Amino acid sequence: AQTVTQSQPEMSVQEAETVTLSCTYDTSENNYYLFWYKQPPSRQMILVIRQEAYKQQNATENRFSVNFQKAAKSFSLKISDSQLGDTAMYFCASGGTSYGKLTFGQGTILTVHP
Amino acid sequence: GAGVSQSPRYKVAKRGQDVALRCDPISGHVSLFWYQQALGQGPEFLTYFQNEAQLDKSGLPSDRFFAERPEGSVSTLKIQRTQQEDSAVYLCASSSGNRETQYFGPGTRLLVL
Repeated sequence: AQTVTQSQPEMSVQEAETVTLSCTYDTSENNYYLFWYKQPPSRQMILVIRQEAYKQQNATENRFSVNFQKAAKSFSLKISDSQLGDTAMYFCASGGTSYGKLTFGQGTILTVHP
Repeated sequence: GAGVSQSPRYKVAKRGQDVALRCDPISGHVSLFWYQQALGQGPEFLTYFQNEAQLDKSGLPSDRFFAERPEGSVSTLKIQRTQQEDSAVYLCASSSGNRETQYFGPGTRLLVL
């Protein structure tokens, strides 16, 4: 079984600044992986970044990077140089099982202010 | 190429009506998932297909929910005798194989009155 917890219902940041979104998880899987997805108000869920649990190196994708602390079961997302288009609901998710069913957190609403 | 598409985008049903929600996955994707997203919440797993085989339906909330993917491409989620608690956004996602990244469609927003 997997659980994912996002303890920040809402966050805000000024344009061009950096913000970090928190996520903790619990899983009985040995071979799992983690995601951050972004869901703008139009509701299309978009992949932001993926982290394999067996990899020690933190994943990065342009302005987006993660801080993966496996022992602490923590998986935070850092957004650098925030842009207005980053305004969205952000979901942390864990995947496992043989086929990859996802378990999502409750989401964090991020607002980027000009 | 084209992403995952879903139709209709919005559906209003009277309580007790049957509804059918359609998902067109990315061409060639063997894995297809349905999730239910209540307002302000994260998506929750409903069911999984590998090609035409429904391998996991553990998330379907009741026997009023039924999903199929007869030819291993398009999938339909059917809800019989809709109830108000069925109101949610229904998301479809597909992936190229086991444990590969899932790509989501825009969802169908269902409102049961």
